[in-house]
Amino acid sequence: DAEITQSPRHKITETGRQVTLACHQTWNHNNMFWYRQDLGHGLRLIHYSYGVQDTNKGEVSDGYSVSRSNTEDLPLTLESAASSQTSVYFCASSESGIGPNTGELFFGEGSRLTVL
Amino acid sequence: GQNIDQPTEMTATEGAIVQINCTYQTSGFNGLFWYQQHAGEAPTFLSYNVLDGLEEKGRFSSFLSRSKGYSYLLLKELQMKDSASYLCAGDSGAGSYQLTFGKGTKLSVIP
Repeated sequence: DAEITQSPRHKITETGRQVTLACHQTWNHNNMFWYRQDLGHGLRLIHYSYGVQDTNKGEVSDGYSVSRSNTEDLPLTLESAASSQTSVYFCASSESGIGPNTGELFFGEGSRLTVL
Repeated sequence: GQNIDQPTEMTATEGAIVQINCTYQTSGFNGLFWYQQHAGEAPTFLSYNVLDGLEEKGRFSSFLSRSKGYSYLLLKELQMKDSASYLCAGDSGAGSYQLTFGKGTKLSVIP
């Protein structure tokens, strides 16, 4: 069965360290997204990609970067982790085009990051 | 960005019906999604409305009025397992696949 997986599921790091969260999907979806979820804020879009070599900034992109070298993976990098980046991170993917399922997001299980 | 508003918390009784409302700026979105998220888990898709009216899917129904910027999710015959957060999300359409989420409504179902 197709799926979307994130790793690590839990990580504790220190302020100033570089952290990379992995996201891998086997849906063959063109669209991939990274959201963070915090109490009182809901899901907020960090970065997104509509295909290989395409990346775009979302609502809360400062301090984060992504790269899309293939269809399956969209790793999220925190260049220098800050305590404000303590959050639960969700990766998601969706189809492009026209159809009843277009746009529906399929989410990974989430990565809980704590920055001390 | 486009604001999406929904109540923070609701409580309802097992077996009852509950309606969770969602409002947004009418110029913002093409269609509305509803997702369910149990505590500590990923959101899962419930429904998508792009046309005005009511769409029924088993115990869950979703309604959209584009002219009023209003949607609701109706849950019938509530079960304890329906205790979760319900997220309303708008899509901009026109080839944009980004979703903008509301803050979610935490529903507690009590015996």
